[in-house]
Amino acid sequence: EAGVVQSPRYKIIEKKQPVAFWCNPISGHNTLYWYRQNLGQGPELLIRYENEEAVDDSQLPKDRFSAERLKGVDSTLKIQPAELGDSAVYLCASSSPGTPRETQYFGPGTRLLVL
Amino acid sequence: DAKTTQPTSMDCAEGRAANLPCNHSTISGNEYVYWYRQIHSQGPQYIIHGLKNNETNEMASLIITEDRKSSTLILPHATLRDTAVYYCIVKQGSGNTGKLIFGQGTTLQVKP
Repeated sequence: EAGVVQSPRYKIIEKKQPVAFWCNPISGHNTLYWYRQNLGQGPELLIRYENEEAVDDSQLPKDRFSAERLKGVDSTLKIQPAELGDSAVYLCASSSPGTPRETQYFGPGTRLLVL
Repeated sequence: DAKTTQPTSMDCAEGRAANLPCNHSTISGNEYVYWYRQIHSQGPQYIIHGLKNNETNEMASLIITEDRKSSTLILPHATLRDTAVYYCIVKQGSGNTGKLIFGQGTTLQVKP
């Protein structure tokens, strides 16, 4: 079974530029999560989707961050414009009530560096 | 969700058991204890979870005290590949409702 796929793995941009991250969850997983992980810290949830509906976006900085999951499968997280403090690893995870343990499966992340 | 406290770092000799403690003194009755680990440059990986009974799977054992205020993750025979950051998380419910709140975790270094 393929895991959670994320791209790109690495991204370097200058501040004020836009950037987008893509996530393909495990097939059949209806719940998708985006986390941000700063250096030396644990991941923090940005947004959670149930199918195509964002059910928890309370931690998403809505002035510059946006996310979508149009068909309830793939998802894109966008930052516009990026700031120096956005440098972090952006992790995508998925889960499904029908899977054993109902745990979250994480992708490898996208490492963003804003210069 | 209840807060957890873990040591910042621990060392373990290869082949020996690694015992990682976690305090969660404010845990409530419907909150589960989850353990994830994160190997360098990878996403977190689920290890085990439990409510009040001890649990064991192919990766580890979870020992939860009777008052549920603390727990210990046991890797019975640590290998170099077990070097990672281990996160203890308390979460309502055993399903995917309720978010995972990660702390800083314990960095386990397995040494040859």
